[in-house]
Amino acid sequence: KQEVTQIPAALSVPEGENLVLNCSFTDSAIYNLQWFRQDPGKGLTSLLLIQSSQREQTSGRLNASLDKSSGRSTLYIAASQPGDSATYLCAVYNNNDMRFGAGTRLTVKP
Amino acid sequence: ETGVTQTPRHLVMGMTNKKSLKCEQHLGHNAMYWYKQSAKKPLELMFVYSLEERVENNSVPSRFSPECPNSSHLFLHLHTLQPEDSALYLCASSQGLAAYEQYFGPGTRLTVT
Repeated sequence: KQEVTQIPAALSVPEGENLVLNCSFTDSAIYNLQWFRQDPGKGLTSLLLIQSSQREQTSGRLNASLDKSSGRSTLYIAASQPGDSATYLCAVYNNNDMRFGAGTRLTVKP
Repeated sequence: ETGVTQTPRHLVMGMTNKKSLKCEQHLGHNAMYWYKQSAKKPLELMFVYSLEERVENNSVPSRFSPECPNSSHLFLHLHTLQPEDSALYLCASSQGLAAYEQYFGPGTRLTVT
């Protein structure tokens, strides 16, 4: 059974810092990995989707990498802003099943 | 409207009530999903539909009954729920299964009293 772990559970940084969020999964047989952000009480917003054949994806200040063989993905956020404060979730997809991590709650202080 | 919409946004129901959650996607997608998000637990996939046919049911109790009348609409019928069913219920859609990005609605906050 696929298990997804996100470390750290919570992170607080001052504005302007670069930061890395980590995601690990136990079964490397995945179709893709997706990173989302969730604001309190809201739905999920898709940030980046990495297919199993890809190593990384970039969107603006965000860069996500995928190392399938080691079961790891990282989300790099450059020059963090207070508006980046949210919970970040990673999810892996395989065999019509999507498994989520518990998330990293990020706070960016002005 | 654009994206994925869900109604109602908030619902309070007693254990003997019957209610339904509605999801509509305006993206021309062919796959739709129901997820449950409980406090302090990771998101759990409940049901997957592709081209209006259920392709996955992750051992969800029968008091939750999904319905997908067409590729744009997805319902979750609720009856005789328990207080532990209180959660945020999220709907998502994607162009197809497997390799496609999922887009989520805002969710329905359900409280069972």
